[in-house]
Amino acid sequence: GAVVSQHPSWVICKSGTSVKIECRSLDFQATTMFWYRQFPKQSLMLMATSNEGSKATYEQGVEKDKFLINHASLTLSTLTVTSAHPEDSSFYICSARVLTSGADTQYFGPGTRLTVL
Amino acid sequence: GENVEQHPSTLSVQEGDSAVIKCTYSDSASNYFPWYKQELGKRPQLIIDIRSNVGEKKDQRIAVTLNKTAKHFSLHITETQPEDSAVYFCAASIRGNMLTFGGGTRLMVKP
Repeated sequence: GAVVSQHPSWVICKSGTSVKIECRSLDFQATTMFWYRQFPKQSLMLMATSNEGSKATYEQGVEKDKFLINHASLTLSTLTVTSAHPEDSSFYICSARVLTSGADTQYFGPGTRLTVL
Repeated sequence: GENVEQHPSTLSVQEGDSAVIKCTYSDSASNYFPWYKQELGKRPQLIIDIRSNVGEKKDQRIAVTLNKTAKHFSLHITETQPEDSAVYFCAASIRGNMLTFGGGTRLMVKP
């Protein structure tokens, strides 16, 4: 259980285009998902918290108009990188919060490697 | 907000030896401390976690200890094997909410 998928796993795009990344919880419902960004050989940095049916909460320094998050259902959150530029190239990973009896943890998707030319 | 420091950043051990990774956190309200293992280009995998109502948890060769007073927690891997080589991240949060990660430790187990 607690499987999280992401699509696409790898994307290359031209500067100025928008890219949408999907995060799905496959065998459970996730009212809360998180989006992280990871640069090579660095740690994971939280970008935003995605809540089903409400607006996402962005971390300080993350542009909400550039990184659009939509959590339209209990199993899907999307991150759209708008007008992508080379500095947006990174590994984007989502996670879903799992709430079970007495346990509360996060499981990660496989990540999406974005390269902006 | 929460700040998590992790040491060492790299750790090299001989196969069969033990490895210890330490983390400190700043927010006394944090009560959930997971450890993730990440192989190159792959997702972080939860390997063990501990909540603030316990001081130690063990799962086969892996154990985690928590000192709430000192606000630090540690990962212990015994009888290391080459497949343990990866980057390990500690994290802290209030319940399972927003995770703040440490900087990571690159563990290399030499055969």
